[in-house]
Amino acid sequence: GQQVMQIPQYQHVQEGEDFTTYCNSSTTLSNIQWYKQRPGGHPVFLIQLVKSGEVKKQKRLTFQFGEAKKNSSLHITATQTTDVGTYFCAGGRNDYKLSFGAGTTVTVRA
Amino acid sequence: EADIYQTPRYLVIGTGKKITLECSQTMGHDKMYWYQQDPGMELHLIHYSYGVNSTEKGDLSSESTVSRIRTEHFPLTLESARPSHTSQYLCASSEQGQPTDTQYFGPGTRLTVL
Repeated sequence: GQQVMQIPQYQHVQEGEDFTTYCNSSTTLSNIQWYKQRPGGHPVFLIQLVKSGEVKKQKRLTFQFGEAKKNSSLHITATQTTDVGTYFCAGGRNDYKLSFGAGTTVTVRA
Repeated sequence: EADIYQTPRYLVIGTGKKITLECSQTMGHDKMYWYQQDPGMELHLIHYSYGVNSTEKGDLSSESTVSRIRTEHFPLTLESARPSHTSQYLCASSEQGQPTDTQYFGPGTRLTVL
């Protein structure tokens, strides 16, 4: 079945630094969605990318969808303590459901 | 913020008990989902529904069952809980979207079976 892999599993970041988390699929995706889950919380939708090569920005977050629609990345600039949490990518499947990656758990050193 | 509710938030029970996890949404969404998530792991789809009287098994085999008698309500039942059922259970609903719906998650139920 369709698998979505995320790396790294853990990201420890100094406050103010930038980092990137990556999402890779074994098959072509119809779209990619990103969710954020705060510690002890539930996933909250951040964004959806549909087009090949699409780039979207939300303040300090930049999301990219690869040209082949098999990979995606999330880049966060000037990390803040509010960025703490687990970021999940979810690939849209042919059956219109989502396959979630294992997530990247971000911790921030003040 | 989406209006989707789950009760209880935390549940600790003994082996062999029957339990029902409640999920309700007030957004009128036709599609609803149940995911199972172990700590630090991905979400696994265990059940979904496309509307009233529609229920399907998800990707991960589960001994739980679901029902969808009303649009807003999608309860999950375990007839006989076991320690292997210990996990977090997340309910979600989605509005129509292309090419894939955006999903709204409830706060989750953390289940511990002793």
